[in-house]
Amino acid sequence: QKEVEQNSGPLSVPEGAIASLNCTYSDRGSQSFFWYRQYSGKSPELIMFIYSNGDKEDGRFTAQLNKASQYVSLLIRDSQPSDSATYLCAVKGANTGNQFYFGTGTSLTVIP
Amino acid sequence: DVKVTQSSRYLVKRTGEKVFLECVQDMDHENMFWYRQDPGLGLRLIYFSYDVKMKEKGDIPEGYSVSREKKERFSLILESASTNQTSMYLCASMFNLPDTQYFGPGTRLTVL
Repeated sequence: QKEVEQNSGPLSVPEGAIASLNCTYSDRGSQSFFWYRQYSGKSPELIMFIYSNGDKEDGRFTAQLNKASQYVSLLIRDSQPSDSATYLCAVKGANTGNQFYFGTGTSLTVIP
Repeated sequence: DVKVTQSSRYLVKRTGEKVFLECVQDMDHENMFWYRQDPGLGLRLIYFSYDVKMKEKGDIPEGYSVSREKKERFSLILESASTNQTSMYLCASMFNLPDTQYFGPGTRLTVL
């Protein structure tokens, strides 16, 4: 079983719609969760991090965490063509020091 | 702004060569990481370092070694490059808290 799983997509949404990206993780003791955006040929760029159950909002982005279900999601409101990228979910292991586990990413395309 | 730099964006080497990849960060981060990224496999941790001269193996350390003689610099060494080490190599750094990683631009290594 992979540590972090994401739907690979591709996910296509029209401009202005809400894009919903999902991630599940296997380590129940994990406490730190991250979303990165990666444009083709570029390195990952941090979008958000979340530590507590519930929602965390930053501009058009909302991260949602449910530790009981071992589930973290990212909502992108008012999607723009510039949001077209691969989104990586990352989880910091509970008892592995500073080791992080990454999902394989979900490819998002926002159609103008 | 956090700046993480890597010595080369593109590198072509021959099988059996010794390869050095360098990473430098300017934020006095305690932790530094080396990942490789391959299609369908996501980011996989090779090694990380939580202090000068300290290192921990990640998930795929075989065929690699690392060196951290100064806090700002973390080197990845391929002792004898093989074709299956053709990949994108990403360096990252972070404080202990907040535990958010910042990535360098990546080095695309091709081993012929």
